[in-house]
Amino acid sequence: DTAVSQTPKYLVTQMGNDKSIKCEQNLGHDTMYWYKQDSKKFLKIMFSYNNKELIINETVPNRFSPKSPDKAHLNLHINSLELGDSAVYFCASSPTGTYSYEQYFGPGTRLTVT
Amino acid sequence: SQQGEEDPQALSIQEGENATMNCSYKTSINNLQWYRQNSGRGLVHLILIRSNEREKHSGRLRVTLDTSKKSSSLLITASRAADTASYFCATDSGNTPLVFGKGTRLSVIA
Repeated sequence: DTAVSQTPKYLVTQMGNDKSIKCEQNLGHDTMYWYKQDSKKFLKIMFSYNNKELIINETVPNRFSPKSPDKAHLNLHINSLELGDSAVYFCASSPTGTYSYEQYFGPGTRLTVT
Repeated sequence: SQQGEEDPQALSIQEGENATMNCSYKTSINNLQWYRQNSGRGLVHLILIRSNEREKHSGRLRVTLDTSKKSSSLLITASRAADTASYFCATDSGNTPLVFGKGTRLSVIA
C-alpha cells in the first residue's frame, strides 16, 4: 500500500484558474506538509499541519491554502494560478510535530501553468 | 538561514566505486538528515544523524557529522547503477522546519 499518495500526478492549467491537489497518508502520522520544488530542484516547505492545526506558514502567497478534513488528508488549493507557480509540489508526513523525525514523501504533482 | 549546501553539485562515477557527497550548513542544528530522490519521484529518507553523534551507518551508507565545521558527508560504498539519483541533506533546529540543500546529482555508470 502506498504510504503517502497525491493526486493528480500531472496538472496542466492556464493562468488565472483555480486548482487543487489532494494528499492522503495511511501511516497514522500526526503531521503533514506541503513542499514546492522548483526547476533547480530546490525544495522549500510551504505549510505543515499537526492534528488539523496549521503550525507553520512560510512566506507563501495567500492564493495558496491548505485544507485538512482529517488527520490523514492535507489538500492544497491554489487560486488565480500564475506562471511562477509552475513547479513540483510534494506532500509529506511525519510521526510528530517536531522536525527531528524522518519525513515520508508522496510522489509529487507536477504543475504546469501556461 | 541554516540552508544546507551540498557539494559537489554533480558527481559521475563507475559502478563499484565509492561516492562521497558533502553538506555544509550555517547555524546550530539538532539533527541532519539525508534523502534520496530518483528522477520524477518523491524523496526517500536515508539516514538521520543527531548533533551529538559523529558517525552512523546503514547498509552501504556511512554518514559523518562534524558540528565544529558545520558539515556532514554521505559515503555510498560499492555504488550501483540503482544509486543514480539526487541526494539532499536537510537540517533542523528542533522547532524549525526542515531546510533542504540544493542536492548532489549522482550518476553511476554501469
